[in-house]
Amino acid sequence: KNQVEQSPQSLIILEGKNCTLQCNYTVSPFSNLRWYKQDTGRGPVSLTIMTFSENTKSNGRYTATLDADTKQSSLHITASQLSDSASYICVVKESNYQLIWGAGTKLIIKP
Amino acid sequence: NAGVTQTPKFQVLKTGQSMTLQCAQDMNHEYMSWYRQDPGMGLRLIHYSVGAGITDQGEVPNGYNVSRSTTEDFPLRLLSAAPSQTSVYFCASSYSGPGPHEQYFGPGTRLTVT
Repeated sequence: KNQVEQSPQSLIILEGKNCTLQCNYTVSPFSNLRWYKQDTGRGPVSLTIMTFSENTKSNGRYTATLDADTKQSSLHITASQLSDSASYICVVKESNYQLIWGAGTKLIIKP
Repeated sequence: NAGVTQTPKFQVLKTGQSMTLQCAQDMNHEYMSWYRQDPGMGLRLIHYSVGAGITDQGEVPNGYNVSRSTTEDFPLRLLSAAPSQTSVYFCASSYSGPGPHEQYFGPGTRLTVT
């Protein structure tokens, strides 16, 4: 069964620290992998989209990596800010256009 | 551009009532979709549309109807509300065809069925 699993479920770090969120998937055939940021009470907002041939992609302080061989992705956040407090969701797109959503990692940044 | 708009933001229904959740986008996107988000779970696709006049079922379509008479609008109808439909509903849109294409989400409708 196609699945996307994220870890940890939740994470608390101090402002200014770095952190890495993990995403493992079993989706096949693979088309692309997306990371979204979802603030409380709002819709998800796209951070990155990575295709099979891309293994690193940055968006400001966010850097996503993809290892299509091991079916793993990570999202690294550098120099965290209070505004980074949100849920981060990993989504994998099958080649038949279906999106498989992870349950998300809830990140809390403390001052 | 307003992007993707949804109304209402909040709604409380009694079991058995019906209602329509509105969704509109002004980006001329062909693809529109409805999701529900429940605590501890990933978003689940209810229905989607690849263009005006074309709709199809997603993962959890039972109890919901959709129509797409224009490119801009994609309303979601709850036929007879049940407590199991208590959830947050998101509408999304994107371009279709060869991609990948970024998907844009509305602010959500929080629905409670008592």
